Amino acid sequence: GEDVEQSLFLSVREGDSSVINCTYTDSSSTYLYWYKQEPGAGLQLLTYIFSNMDMKQDQRLTVLLNKKDKHLSLRIADTQTGDSAIYFCAEILGGYNKLIFGAGTRLAVHP
Amino acid sequence: DAGVTQSPTHLIKTRGQHVTLRCSPISGHKSVSWYQQVLGQGPQFIFQYYEKEERGRGNFPDRFSARQFPNYSSELNVNALLLGDSALYLCASSLETGFYEQYFGPGTRLTVT
Repeated sequence: GEDVEQSLFLSVREGDSSVINCTYTDSSSTYLYWYKQEPGAGLQLLTYIFSNMDMKQDQRLTVLLNKKDKHLSLRIADTQTGDSAIYFCAEILGGYNKLIFGAGTRLAVHP
Repeated sequence: DAGVTQSPTHLIKTRGQHVTLRCSPISGHKSVSWYQQVLGQGPQFIFQYYEKEERGRGNFPDRFSARQFPNYSSELNVNALLLGDSALYLCASSLETGFYEQYFGPGTRLTVT
């Protein structure tokens, strides 16, 4: 079935690293994504990783992919208050652009 | 360049009414997808259109329909509105179907009373 799972809430101190985890179900997914949603806004594409990679780094963001366990994580280094948002993990299914999203992880950054 | 635009921003309708939501993709993008995001949940796929043809449909009733125009903009129509249709409706554009970067608009907040 189609099911992407994420923990619902994460609280970190400003300056620390945040790690948001996700498990997905379809081993044939070719791309896996991280989106950010701030209150009242649409989704911002943060980064994505191709399924034949196990790591991708983009400035403060590091994505790790474990295909065997169908586990995806997003690490945010030096977390800032502006990083407070909901983070969605998504996998792509089918021959077209159908994204399957998790329920989102709310990241709260405190001083 | 402008990103994905959607109109209206907010909308309040009564049960049983009909609604039309509009989306303009990023210039040069030919594929548009629609998603429904109920409060507290992740977005759910409704439709994908590419070159004016429906390429994919999610698990939504026939009350939901969409179309894409020659300029690649798109409309989502919902008939016989139910309270459960209250949600944020998001439009995403990508260069082509099968091209894997999808960019989302700010959404239309629909409230059904």
